[in-house]
Order: sequence, then structure tokens, then C-alpha cells
Amino acid sequence: DTGVSQDPRHKITKRGQNVTFRCDPISEHNRLYWYRQTLGQGPEFLTYFQNEAQLEKSRLLSDRFSAERPKGSFSTLEIQRTEQGDSAMYLCASSLGTTYPNNEKLFFGSGTQLSVL
Amino acid sequence: AQSVAQPEDQVNVAEGNPLTVKCTYSVSGNPYLFWYVQYPNRGLQFLLKYITGDNLVKGSYGFEAEFNKSQTSFHLKKPSALVSDSALYFCAVRDIDRTGGFKTIFGAGTRLFVKA
Repeated sequence: DTGVSQDPRHKITKRGQNVTFRCDPISEHNRLYWYRQTLGQGPEFLTYFQNEAQLEKSRLLSDRFSAERPKGSFSTLEIQRTEQGDSAMYLCASSLGTTYPNNEKLFFGSGTQLSVL
Repeated sequence: AQSVAQPEDQVNVAEGNPLTVKCTYSVSGNPYLFWYVQYPNRGLQFLLKYITGDNLVKGSYGFEAEFNKSQTSFHLKKPSALVSDSALYFCAVRDIDRTGGFKTIFGAGTRLFVKA
């Protein structure tokens, strides 16, 4: 087990293009989260999965953002028609998913740095 | 809604001295509080958490945090700072909603500089 991995590490794209990021959580983890972090700020919650079910999506997330976790393992985050304001570090995290309420720690990947030109 | 505040953008301390990184919280109900650290070019790492029980929580790398309900604070502490502790520290709270709380809310972060 090598922890949470994200691909790519960096992505540069032109405004208006679509981009897709991948996250592979720790293998036995049922819960998967996406966060966005800009310089000088803490991570901002985007969305959350319990196995393959997307249970919560931030109201701050526009319809251009979509996430999937089709088999309850890896997840993808797609941004359509990118805008310069989408430039940020996109972080993925996972947790075991065995406690209710959820008091588990999160394991983070190193993130995907998106730059929209 | 749950929230945390980190009143200091940056904390400077000399190596060997004690350090404190401040955090205050605002929650309805019992708080689930966390500290994470972010080293340069690395992902966030869990340091410690408070769920219930002793107000002094011990975590990784010699860090500890003190939960103070009357002051709604959860300050991170270490008795003797190391240069290698220099990093970005985030306080966080679990947003316990009707679904059981799956959203962690992070503070803006405090940059710690430890000078040799």
C-alpha cells in the first residue's frame, strides 16, 4: 500500500478546455473526498463518496464539475469548460468508512495542480 | 454550520522553544476536531484528533493539543520545536450533519517557522 495517489501531478490547460483528474484511494477505504486548495487558504470541500455513491456535493461547485467513483475504487473529477478561476490544487482524500458518526482521519494524496491559461 | 478560525497567519519560534498554534471553533453539538500538517510538496498529514475524553490529546511527532470547551479553543502545542517542524498547519472540524458528518471543514492555515 502506497497511500492515496493522484494523477496527473500538474495540468496546464487553456480556458474552455475540459480536464479530468484521477484519484486512487487506499485500497480498503470506503470513503473518498475531493477538496480544492488555493494559495493561502485551507482545503475547501467539493464532494464525497461512500463506496460508489456520491452522498454530498458542495453548493459552491458549479455544474461544470462532475465526479464519479464507478466501482467504489478509483475516482475521477472532471471540469468542463475550464475558467481561470478554476486554477487551484485539487486534493483527494480517503478514509476507512467504518465509523458513524464519522470521526476518522483523512489520508490525503499529493494533489493535482491545475493551471488554466 | 461548523467552522474553525486560525487567528495567526504565521508563527515564528526558535528551535528548542515551546510552540503554540492557535485554533478556535464554532460548532453546534459536540465537536470533532483535528489538526493536519502540510509539508512543502507533500499532501496533508493527520496529526491528532479530539473526539471525547481527555482534554489533552497527544499526536504524531511530539505534538499535542488542548481542548478547552469554555474558550472554544483547540490549540496545537509542542514543548520543544524543531527546525523540521516548519510547515503549514491546519485546524479542522468535522461537520456533523444528519447524514453522520462526512465533510471536514478546514481553517485557513498557520505557517510555522522554526529558526535554528
